[in-house]
Amino acid sequence: SAVISQKPSRDICQRGTSLTIQCQVDSQVTMMFWYRQQPGQSLTLIATANQGSEATYESGFVIDKFPISRPNLTFSTLTVSNMSPEDSSIYLCSADRGRGEKLFFGSGTQLSVL
Amino acid sequence: GENVEQHPSTLSVQEGDSAVIKCTYSDSASNYFPWYKQELGKRPQLIIDIRSNVGEKKDQRIAVTLNKTAKHFSLHITETQPEDSAVYFCAASYEGKLIFGQGTTLQVKP
Repeated sequence: SAVISQKPSRDICQRGTSLTIQCQVDSQVTMMFWYRQQPGQSLTLIATANQGSEATYESGFVIDKFPISRPNLTFSTLTVSNMSPEDSSIYLCSADRGRGEKLFFGSGTQLSVL
Repeated sequence: GENVEQHPSTLSVQEGDSAVIKCTYSDSASNYFPWYKQELGKRPQLIIDIRSNVGEKKDQRIAVTLNKTAKHFSLHITETQPEDSAVYFCAASYEGKLIFGQGTTLQVKP
């Protein structure tokens, strides 16, 4: 398994501001992903964080709103830009060593936008 | 793309009874099917998984079955205990990423 540290664990932000979430894995991993979990809902994949290239975004998510970095094989960031109350969710970083298999999650970031 | 449907959305059982959660997927190319348990306020935890070349897998009180022809898979929990109460998510691996079902809230009554 992989140990994934994510921070901040929670934040309360003002509308129109941006928040950057950090994700650190204790070992090199092939794949890193960012998920959103809205209150009482399932996990929705935002994007795949690719090392050394742009992230691959799922339908409904765009780079301008959710810029992602992955400078190396153990670290990634997700920025939630120009936030609105609709962005209030839990954001989860995840990682695995294969092709989306044996996925492990960080502890999540509980974001509230006022 | 892949679509995963999960049923039921809520399930209430008496302690000691069995619980079954079912999922269907749409893309026959999916080949890996994990199940996650999420307790309130915590991250999802992988509890069991199955690959497409296997029909059934067991781990103590938990088992998963897969029917590739029908494109559905199920989670079976036997001898349920109150600590099994949580939200359970199924998922299917599609093009190297996991697509999740809608979740099942399981309540085990003592």
